[in-house]
Amino acid sequence: QQQVKQSPQSLIVQKGGISIINCAYENTAFDYFPWYQQFPGKGPALLIAIRPDVSEKKEGRFTISFNKSAKQFSLHIMDSQPGDSATYFCAAGASGARQLTFGSGTQLTVLP
Amino acid sequence: DSGVTQTPKHLITATGQRVTLRCSPRSGDLSVYWYQQSLDQGLQFLIQYYNGEERAKGNILERFSAQQFPDLHSELNLSSLELGDSALYFCASSVGLAGAEQYFGPGTRLTVT
Repeated sequence: QQQVKQSPQSLIVQKGGISIINCAYENTAFDYFPWYQQFPGKGPALLIAIRPDVSEKKEGRFTISFNKSAKQFSLHIMDSQPGDSATYFCAAGASGARQLTFGSGTQLTVLP
Repeated sequence: DSGVTQTPKHLITATGQRVTLRCSPRSGDLSVYWYQQSLDQGLQFLIQYYNGEERAKGNILERFSAQQFPDLHSELNLSSLELGDSALYFCASSVGLAGAEQYFGPGTRLTVT
C-alpha cells in the first residue's frame, strides 16, 4: 500500500515534443505529490509538486495533472529540450508521515 | 545548488569496515532525512531527524545508525559493511517536521570492495 508505481521506465522524445510520465498510488493517506529531476552524478532536485485540492499545476513547461479518484498523477513536459534529458522520479507523502515514497524513476532522453 | 552539503563525495572501503557520512542541511531547515539509492531498490528512506531527535525510521539496517548534532548537521554511520551496501547515499532537508519540500544534497557514492 506504500508503493508508488511509475511508468514508463524509459522514454525517448524528439526535441519540441511532449514528454509524459505517469504515477499511480494506493495509499489514500498520501496528500503531497512532488516530482524530482536527477542528472547523472547529482542529487534529485525538486521540480514541481501538487496537493490533491487541485487537479493541475503548471510551472513553465512543466505541468502536473492529478486525478484523485483514479489515484494517479502525471508529469507533462511541454516543448521538451535536450537539456531535459534526466531521470524523473515521482514521489508521495502523507501529512503526519515523515518520509517520501518514491517511484522507480523514468529515464528521459530528448533527441536534438 | 540545493544548499544541502554532503561529504565525502566518494568513499571506497573494504567489507567489514565502518564509515561515516556527513550532511549539513540548508540554512533554517530543522529536518534531515537520509536516503539510499541503489540500482535495484531505487530511492529508499532510511531515517529522519528533527532538531536533534530521531523522528522516523524506514528501511534502515541495524548496522546503520545516524545522529543530528546541535548545529543541525547529521552523520550517517555504516558499520560491518557488505558488498550490497554499495550505493549512493543522499541526505535531504526540510524546514518542518512533516516532510514536504525536501531538498536533496549531491550525495555520497559508497563503494564497498
